[in-house]
Amino acid sequence: NAGVTQTPKFRILKIGQSMTLQCTQDMNHNYMYWYRQDPGMGLKLIYYSVGAGITDKGEVPNGYNVSRSTTEDFPLRLELAAPSQTSVYFCASSYSTGTSSYEQYFGPGTRLTVT
Amino acid sequence: DAKTTQPNSMESNEEEPVHLPCNHSTISGTDYIHWYRQLPSQGPEYVIHGLTSNVNNRMASLAIAEDRKSSTLILHRATLRDAAVYYCILRGSGGSNYKLTFGKGTLLTVNP
Repeated sequence: NAGVTQTPKFRILKIGQSMTLQCTQDMNHNYMYWYRQDPGMGLKLIYYSVGAGITDKGEVPNGYNVSRSTTEDFPLRLELAAPSQTSVYFCASSYSTGTSSYEQYFGPGTRLTVT
Repeated sequence: DAKTTQPNSMESNEEEPVHLPCNHSTISGTDYIHWYRQLPSQGPEYVIHGLTSNVNNRMASLAIAEDRKSSTLILHRATLRDAAVYYCILRGSGGSNYKLTFGKGTLLTVNP
């Protein structure tokens, strides 16, 4: 299993540009997440999804959009990039049932710089 | 969400045991204690979790105080590869408690 894969690894955007960060998992996990991590800080949840077609906001959703058309893929869209979105972005997935939640598996991250 | 308190940083020598503390005085009876770690330039990875009893796995041991207000992650023989930020996170039980709330964690430095 490749686990959670993310593309691209690095990206530099100009202010106002748009881009999509890709995330794919091959573990058949039903839950997927997007986090951002600013320097010296812990991860903050941007958006999450509990299954295909279902997404919800996390702690810091402003400036981002997501979709989940398949179990495997959970892309994150930045519409109008701003310097405040300079960060490292991590995608994660996990399996949850009605009674139990299991550990999250994280991708390697995408380092985004907006100038 | 119940909060955890960890030291900002700790230092250890290679091949010695490391005890990473975590305080969680407002833990509820159904909260599990989870530990994740983040190696340099990588995403976090799961280490271990427990509820009341001490837990062991191939990576580490988790010692939980009897009143559950604190816990300690134990690395029995630190290696250079264990240098990472370690996060102590509380998470409720049940299928609806799937979110993780990350603090700043403890930066562990391992000296050769």
